[in-house]
Amino acid sequence: DAGITQSPRYKITETGRQVTLMCHQTWSHSYMFWYRQDLGHGLRLIYYSAAADITDKGEVPDGYVVSRSKTENFPLTLESATRSQTSVYFCASSLAESYNEQFFGPGTRLTVL
Amino acid sequence: AQSVAQPEDQVNVAEGNPLTVKCTYSVSGNPYLFWYVQYPNRGLQFLLKYITGDNLVKGSYGFEAEFNKSQTSFHLKKPSALVSDSALYFCAVRDRYGGSQGNLIFGKGTKLSVKP
Repeated sequence: DAGITQSPRYKITETGRQVTLMCHQTWSHSYMFWYRQDLGHGLRLIYYSAAADITDKGEVPDGYVVSRSKTENFPLTLESATRSQTSVYFCASSLAESYNEQFFGPGTRLTVL
Repeated sequence: AQSVAQPEDQVNVAEGNPLTVKCTYSVSGNPYLFWYVQYPNRGLQFLLKYITGDNLVKGSYGFEAEFNKSQTSFHLKKPSALVSDSALYFCAVRDRYGGSQGNLIFGKGTKLSVKP
């Protein structure tokens, strides 16, 4: 009963490098999300996906790329990391109806030097 | 546009006292409202939600929240606080007619500190 997992939990990288954060859920939820959490900003939505091969931008999508070839996986890629992308990243999933709550992974703490 | 305000960055209470964490919202239609809790170095955990019906919603760990449509508020409450309730609390809102799951808006969070 893994639920929703993220890897790695911690990552340090350098400016300009490509980084991929992984997210996997075992509930077969149709929706998946990526958020970033920063002091003073709360949670901000980066991208979300309604189903396999369907993705859409959130509030802060610039500098990020997502894909969803399988329902259970939703990787987030920083194509060329910048210091401003230092943050804690959370993946979440939910059932489709908008009254359903989202379930969050444990987070990935990313530091870009 | 949808928005959520949590007017207090931090709330301090003594163990055993009642606690309230405030949340007000702005949506164009009728809302779905949620409370989440985040313990240190953990993801957010769902506490409770308001969909429709009774304005007083009961959730996990003895928490409850009261939906007040006229005041556009959804304050989180607990009759007797525990030290283990110390955490970061987030209110979130979605306009039920406003489209998809992607429209969930979070407040900036309130840090609850319960002292023995």
